Amino acid sequence: TQLLEQSPQFLSIQEGENLTVYCNSSSVFSSLQWYRQEPGEGPVLLVTVVTGGEVKKLKRLTFQFGDARKDSSLHITAAQPGDTGLYLCAGLRTYKYIFGTGTRLKVLA
Amino acid sequence: NAGVTQTPKFQVLKTGQSMTLQCAQDMNHEYMSWYRQDPGMGLRLIHYSVGAGITDQGEVPNGYNVSRSTTEDFPLRLLSAAPSQTSVYFCASTTLDRSVGYTFGSGTRLTVV
Repeated sequence: TQLLEQSPQFLSIQEGENLTVYCNSSSVFSSLQWYRQEPGEGPVLLVTVVTGGEVKKLKRLTFQFGDARKDSSLHITAAQPGDTGLYLCAGLRTYKYIFGTGTRLKVLA
Repeated sequence: NAGVTQTPKFQVLKTGQSMTLQCAQDMNHEYMSWYRQDPGMGLRLIHYSVGAGITDQGEVPNGYNVSRSTTEDFPLRLLSAAPSQTSVYFCASTTLDRSVGYTFGSGTRLTVV
């Protein structure tokens, strides 16, 4: 059973467009992280959100943790080809980090 | 460079063979874990450890063993390889309070034929 569902699974957009990726669960998490992974490499941490309703910004990326700490979103403004990659959310429950199914983003120049 | 080192990077096994995937970190992280990554499945937790001498099972532990004799090393052993274990394996570490997020190794691509 996958505790964390991400949508969409795939996304192909033109440079300059905006997009939102969603990470949803029926379970409550202590915290939630977002990672980006490039081919042949391990995931790299982008952000950690801890408090329900928390919003964090990282340049053109905006992350939000749901009020009930069951879901999260990642919004990218004016996407660039360098944003291409696999985006993964990960929720913390007790000692375990549970990863989402991933969203594969391709930004075309 | 400080980080998580995984070896080997690629491996082909025959069904029934055993092998050990190595993982070492030099950041003095207490928490280490092994994940497998399959298409459309994201990363699934195999085993994790919160310190030397302490290990526990994750979501998909069957067919794998781990041990943690030192803070630095966390090897993953495949006891009798099966084609279903064909995957990319990632080792990751973080502090016990998880305040810094995971640092991942670059992965081991394993094929079982």
